[in-house]
Amino acid sequence: DVKVTQSSRYLVKRTGEKVFLECVQDMDHENMFWYRQDPGLGLRLIYFSYDVKMKEKGDIPEGYSVSREKKERFSLILESASTNQTSMYLCASSLRQAALGYTFGSGTRLTVV
Amino acid sequence: KQEVTQIPAALSVPEGENLVLNCSFTDSAIYNLQWFRQDPGKGLTSLLLIQSSQREQTSGRLNASLDKSSGRSTLYIAASQPGDSATYLCAVAGGFKTIFGAGTRLFVKA
Repeated sequence: DVKVTQSSRYLVKRTGEKVFLECVQDMDHENMFWYRQDPGLGLRLIYFSYDVKMKEKGDIPEGYSVSREKKERFSLILESASTNQTSMYLCASSLRQAALGYTFGSGTRLTVV
Repeated sequence: KQEVTQIPAALSVPEGENLVLNCSFTDSAIYNLQWFRQDPGKGLTSLLLIQSSQREQTSGRLNASLDKSSGRSTLYIAASQPGDSATYLCAVAGGFKTIFGAGTRLFVKA
C-alpha cells in the first residue's frame, strides 16, 4: 500500500512563528501536493511539485512556500503564521497524470493562536 | 475549465437503504475519476478509481460508474450501515490538474 505520512496530526503555533509541515511518501510518486481544507470552501490547492526541486503555485500560495529536496519528501512552510492559516492541511501524492489516482496523508490540523 | 459538482450536499438515510451519490463534471477529457471517503478530522481515503476507458468499478458494497459523454459518475452504496456515515468526495483528473467536488455528507441512521 502507498503510504503518505504527515509528521504531525495536531499543531498549535503562535502568530508570527515559522511553521514547517512535513510529508513523506514511500511509493516513488513523481507528483506531490499540499491542500488546505476549510468548512464550506472544500479542498484548495496551495502548491504542487512534479519533480525534485520543482514547484508550482496552486490556487492559494500566498503566505506559503514549499521545498522538495528529495523525491519522497515535500515540505510546506508558513513563513510567518497568521490566524487565518488555521486549517486542516492535507498532503497527497500521485504518479504522473494521476494514472493511479491520488493518495492522501492523514492530515495536520494546525491552529495558529 | 473543469467544474465538478456533487449533489446532494447532504443526505440522511435509514440503515439498510441503498443509495446513490452523484458527481457531474463539465469537461469529458479526463484521465480518471476517483471517489474518496473522509471521516471528520481525517484525511481522504480512496474508495474507487475509474480509468477513462472503464465504465464501472466495484469494491464490496460500493459500485462506481462513469459516463464520460454525459459528464456523470455515480457512487452506489448497497445496504447502508451507520459506519458508512462520512463525507464522500469525487475527484476528476485531466490535463495537469485534478479537480475535487465539494462532497456529499452522508448520515446513516441506526
